Amino acid sequence: EDQVTQSPEALRLQEGESSSLNCSYTVSGLRGLFWYRQDPGKGPEFLFTLYSAGEEKEKERLKATLTKKESFLHITAPKPEDSATYLCAVQPTSGYSTLTFGKGTMLLVSP
Amino acid sequence: GAGVSQSPSNKVTEKGKDVELRCDPISGHTALYWYRQRLGQGLEFLIYFQGNSAPDKSGLPSDRFSAERTGESVSTLTIQRTQQEDSAVYLCASSLSEYQPQHFGDGTRLSIL
Repeated sequence: EDQVTQSPEALRLQEGESSSLNCSYTVSGLRGLFWYRQDPGKGPEFLFTLYSAGEEKEKERLKATLTKKESFLHITAPKPEDSATYLCAVQPTSGYSTLTFGKGTMLLVSP
Repeated sequence: GAGVSQSPSNKVTEKGKDVELRCDPISGHTALYWYRQRLGQGLEFLIYFQGNSAPDKSGLPSDRFSAERTGESVSTLTIQRTQQEDSAVYLCASSLSEYQPQHFGDGTRLSIL
């Protein structure tokens, strides 16, 4: 059974204080690992897809990296508008294309 | 262009009633997914439609849940004889094709009294 564990559950940062969120996964074969951002009362917003170990993707202050067992979402010099819940999900190589999600990391960036 | 649209945005109903939730996917997207998000839990897969293929119903929690999709457009998720444990946000997503990134609507928040 595919499993995704995200840590920490919650993270509070000061504006400009860089940090990383972790996503550990267990899957029989990884087709892709997805990062989403979810604001309160909204649906998840797609950020990145990573397909193979060593791959990196960047968008503004966010950088996602992937190894064979985990992914990191690095946030550099965050701003208050980066406050949200960040979700990680895996898509297996076998079976259908549905995603298995972690419970997310709630990030709060204070000015 | 327009994103995934879901209606209603909120639904409050009494235990035992039936409810229908609607999803309009992004135009041209062949794959459509329903997920459930309970408070403090991760998104939970319910059902998946891809083109004209038979849907993957493996995530439906009981036979009270069913879903239909008309061609490659609108989908309806129906919950019969609602129970309090059905209270959750029901999210719909669509993707251009299988294995492409899924794009989500803002969900329907369902509350069972």
